[in-house]
Amino acid sequence: SAVISQKPSRDICQRGTSLTIQCQVDSQVTMMFWYRQQPGQSLTLIATANQGSEATYESGFVIDKFPISRPNLTFSTLTVSNLSPEDSSIYLCSVSVENNQPQHFGDGTRLSIL
Amino acid sequence: GQSLEQPSEVTAVEGAIVQINCTYQTSGFYGLSWYQQHDGGAPTFLSYNALDGLEETGRFSSFLSRSDSYGYLLLQELQMKDSASYFCAVPTGTASKLTFGTGTRLQVTL
Repeated sequence: SAVISQKPSRDICQRGTSLTIQCQVDSQVTMMFWYRQQPGQSLTLIATANQGSEATYESGFVIDKFPISRPNLTFSTLTVSNLSPEDSSIYLCSVSVENNQPQHFGDGTRLSIL
Repeated sequence: GQSLEQPSEVTAVEGAIVQINCTYQTSGFYGLSWYQQHDGGAPTFLSYNALDGLEETGRFSSFLSRSDSYGYLLLQELQMKDSASYFCAVPTGTASKLTFGTGTRLQVTL
């Protein structure tokens, strides 16, 4: 399966700032997704990162708060903007080589807000 | 919308067999996946059932009943390293995005 590198692995940020998370895959993949996992909770899909076009956001998530880029088939970024304590979570990138194939996850970014 | 319910916690002894259930309500159904997540780790794919019945992969098996909107993950010969959280998940729509269940924390004891 694809090797997924997610950076940073963890960060502590000040309120009101932004953090950009990178997801790099060692091979071209069709689908890339971003999830959030709040402490002790399940995973919630933020958006589907579309190559060369705007991401598709799930209900409750907006582009102004979670801008996403996907310039090619191996790389995506998620920015969490205007950070507040409620944004303290693990953010996970996942990929699927082709549609309807299993998703594989990066190791996640553990974000804490002071 | 989609909802998947799982027991929040299960405890079992080393060497035993444990079953983790998942009941779902979905608009459209393509199949049921299972993921394992150790504390501090990434979710890892375990299995996928598109059709009714039992799929076996080593010590782990997964079962699906589409008519009952129900599935389970069966772990045999439990080992301490199996202590983790387990999530069922369903793909939705044509983009294969996943909706995850509430998650079950498995504690394996001596």
